[in-house]
Amino acid sequence: AQSVAQPEDQVNVAEGNPLTVKCTYSVSGNPYLFWYVQYPNRGLQFLLKYITGDNLVKGSYGFEAEFNKSQTSFHLKKPSALVSDSALYFCAVSFSGNTGKLIFGQGTTLQVKP
Amino acid sequence: DVKVTQSSRYLVKRTGEKVFLECVQDMDHENMFWYRQDPGLGLRLIYFSYDVKMKEKGDIPEGYSVSREKKERFSLILESASTNQTSMYLCASSMTGARGYTFGSGTRLTVV
Repeated sequence: AQSVAQPEDQVNVAEGNPLTVKCTYSVSGNPYLFWYVQYPNRGLQFLLKYITGDNLVKGSYGFEAEFNKSQTSFHLKKPSALVSDSALYFCAVSFSGNTGKLIFGQGTTLQVKP
Repeated sequence: DVKVTQSSRYLVKRTGEKVFLECVQDMDHENMFWYRQDPGLGLRLIYFSYDVKMKEKGDIPEGYSVSREKKERFSLILESASTNQTSMYLCASSMTGARGYTFGSGTRLTVV
């Protein structure tokens, strides 16, 4: 079955430190991978995506993610966290032939402390 | 600025009422989706549509129906609202293919 896992419910980092939010997936065929961010009482905003090509993808607000096919992972990273990065982050996967429907992970709350 | 608009940000309804949640997109997207979001459960797909008048059940369609009479509008209907349908409802749209979604701002529905 197609699935996405975000193993951490919450990640805590200090401002200025690097952050990583983890995501692993299981799909048949080539995956298309996405990260979204959600601020309180708002919809989800697109951060970045991997479709093909370079395994390191750069996105909005200084975030990047690395596609690792052998580990079936797509971890979200940022070199230096900001307090304003505190939010709920969702990883999602699609795959060829499914009309673009996304499968979402459970979400990871990122807390950046001053 | 392209967008997906959900008609209400907050809604309070009584048990047994018929509830309509409206979603409109201005991007000429083929696909539209309705999710509900609950703490600890992530996003769960209720229904989606990949064309006008077409609809498919998602993971949790029970107690819901949808309507897509025009390409830009996708309505979610709670036939008889119940307290366990209290949730955040998110609409999204996308083009066909691996393009990702554009989300609306969400409707927080409380059924009392």
